[in-house]
Amino acid sequence: GNSVTQMEGPVTLSEEAFLTINCTYTATGYPSLFWYVQYPGEGLQLLLKATKADDKGSNKGFEATYRKETTSFHLEKGSVQVSDSAVYFCALSVGPETGNQFYFGTGTSLTVIP
Amino acid sequence: NAGVTQTPKFQVLKTGQSMTLQCAQDMNHEYMSWYRQDPGMGLRLIHYSVGAGITDQGEVPNGYNVSRSTTEDFPLRLLSAAPSQTSVYFCASRKNTEAFFGQGTRLTVV
Repeated sequence: GNSVTQMEGPVTLSEEAFLTINCTYTATGYPSLFWYVQYPGEGLQLLLKATKADDKGSNKGFEATYRKETTSFHLEKGSVQVSDSAVYFCALSVGPETGNQFYFGTGTSLTVIP
Repeated sequence: NAGVTQTPKFQVLKTGQSMTLQCAQDMNHEYMSWYRQDPGMGLRLIHYSVGAGITDQGEVPNGYNVSRSTTEDFPLRLLSAAPSQTSVYFCASRKNTEAFFGQGTRLTVV
């Protein structure tokens, strides 16, 4: 089946620290992979995506590389800011045979302290 | 261009009451879906629709009904609310590989 496993939280970091949030997946076929971010009281927003193996998605200083050999899509940022405090969701989407459904991880809460 | 709009933002229901959560999108997306978000469980798919007149069940459909009479609207109905349906509900529409989410409805069933 299709599923996403991501690092349990919560994660607390000091400003300018390095961030890694691990994400691994199981999928039938060739999924697209995503990171979504949810700020307090808001809906999910797309942070970055990768649609095929070895692609690197990047946005706002965040990066993630689609690793087919390790079925992983880990999120990284070299220097976090207080404004990065949010919940981060790893997700995958498979093809039209399943209605292009999304499968989400459980979310990782990040708090960045000054 | 408002994107995906959900109403209401907050709702308290008594057990056994019914209500409809509204979702509208103005991006002319064919695919729409409803998720519930519970602590420690991420988002789980309730129902989805690939176009007007077509709906299908997701991972957790029990207790919920949907219909899709227009491309723009995809309401979610709770016929007889139960405390287990206390959750945050998100509607989403998608185009190709990108999904757009509403701001959510926080529902409490007492």
